[in-house]
Amino acid sequence: DAKTTQPPSMDCAEGRAANLPCNHSTISGNEYVYWYRQIHSQGPQYIIHGLKNNETNEMASLIITEDRKSSTLILPHATLRDTAVYYCIVRVISTNAGKSTFGDGTTLTVKP
Amino acid sequence: GAGVSQTPSNKVTEKGKYVELRCDPISGHTALYWYRQSLGQGPEFLIYFQGTGAADDSGLPNDRFFAVRPEGSVSTLKIQRTERGDSAVYLCASSLARTDTQYFGPGTRLTVL
Repeated sequence: DAKTTQPPSMDCAEGRAANLPCNHSTISGNEYVYWYRQIHSQGPQYIIHGLKNNETNEMASLIITEDRKSSTLILPHATLRDTAVYYCIVRVISTNAGKSTFGDGTTLTVKP
Repeated sequence: GAGVSQTPSNKVTEKGKYVELRCDPISGHTALYWYRQSLGQGPEFLIYFQGTGAADDSGLPNDRFFAVRPEGSVSTLKIQRTERGDSAVYLCASSLARTDTQYFGPGTRLTVL
């Protein structure tokens, strides 16, 4: 699986949009971009994933650049409960798919 | 519906002891994964099962670690002769099929004294 690079930490004001970047310059054509988050002492929570089109669900939006070398997770109206470590991973989706390779993620702190 | 569950939530043991950690995947999920997470780091892959068989065990650190999934549902991660360096949170995840999204359980925090 391709490697991802994320900033170690970010701050965001409550009620504002949080934009979390991720670089995955070595991504392959059959690799999806996945985002998870982990709130202290809990297991990682799935947020969203995409291949090349932008995606939106009830939690967030995922913007993937046209060359697929980077992406941005957008939390449109951050709340204090969004404070967590956010992981961007790329994962092969094929008959050989299996493990996910996590980096150290971005610690997002939402401040009042 | 019910998510992935793991028991126990916390386990404290002494160096050299044997431990078993249990994972109950989401009903109907055929793929099951074990990860280990040390403080301040992201989860690290250990092993994954497709059905009853271990499809990839490349992440197991050594032969003290072993996992089974005899009936293709519940899985047990077994650690023999525990060492202090085995202290970590052990996470389990499951997915409907190997190509699908993985959903994680709350983890078991293992402390080896």
